[in-house]
Amino acid sequence: GQQLNQSPQSMFIQEGEDVSMNCTSSSIFNTWLWYKQEPGEGPVLLIALYKAGELTSNGRLTAQFGITRKDSFLNISASIPSDVGIYFCAGPPGGTSYGKLTFGQGTILTVHP
Amino acid sequence: DTAVSQTPKYLVTQMGNDKSIKCEQNLGHDTMYWYKQDSKKFLKIMFSYNNKELIINETVPNRFSPKSPDKAHLNLHINSLELGDSAVYFCASSQGGTSGLNEQFFGPGTRLTVL
Repeated sequence: GQQLNQSPQSMFIQEGEDVSMNCTSSSIFNTWLWYKQEPGEGPVLLIALYKAGELTSNGRLTAQFGITRKDSFLNISASIPSDVGIYFCAGPPGGTSYGKLTFGQGTILTVHP
Repeated sequence: DTAVSQTPKYLVTQMGNDKSIKCEQNLGHDTMYWYKQDSKKFLKIMFSYNNKELIINETVPNRFSPKSPDKAHLNLHINSLELGDSAVYFCASSQGGTSGLNEQFFGPGTRLTVL
């Protein structure tokens, strides 16, 4: 099946640092989504991207839909301890049913106070 | 107010038993989903129902049977549980439409442990 590759797999940073993570695919995606999962909870949608080149912000979070439609980036500025969690990219690969999401393997973020 | 709720939160059972997980959403969404998250945190879609009709049915053993009594509820029944079924199962829901279907709201998960 389709695979989404996220990097890095994990990050250990100091509070206040900026964070960048990305997601790549060998096939085209028409939508890119970024979710955050905290321990013991379900994933929560952070940002949805629908057009190639689109840049969208949600507070300290900024995500971009890559021009090739095969990648997406998520940046977190001035990290705080509550940013800790697993960040997943997801999307329906081109040609699949809407709603049939493929998820990346996640980037585990740890923020030291 | 809980948007997507699941019961139970934890489920510990013996191999070979049959168990059910229940899901309810109060968001007024037409579409609901079941996902499985393995020990490596990999999330994979299992099923999707739109207004009580099955629309996504991934390669899942037929021991797993979803049931949707109405569009606000989607239950998952698992027969003859196996050790490999141990995972966290998430229910999700979304609105219809091309963008709405992709913006899914997840429940808190049910951690199933098969001994």
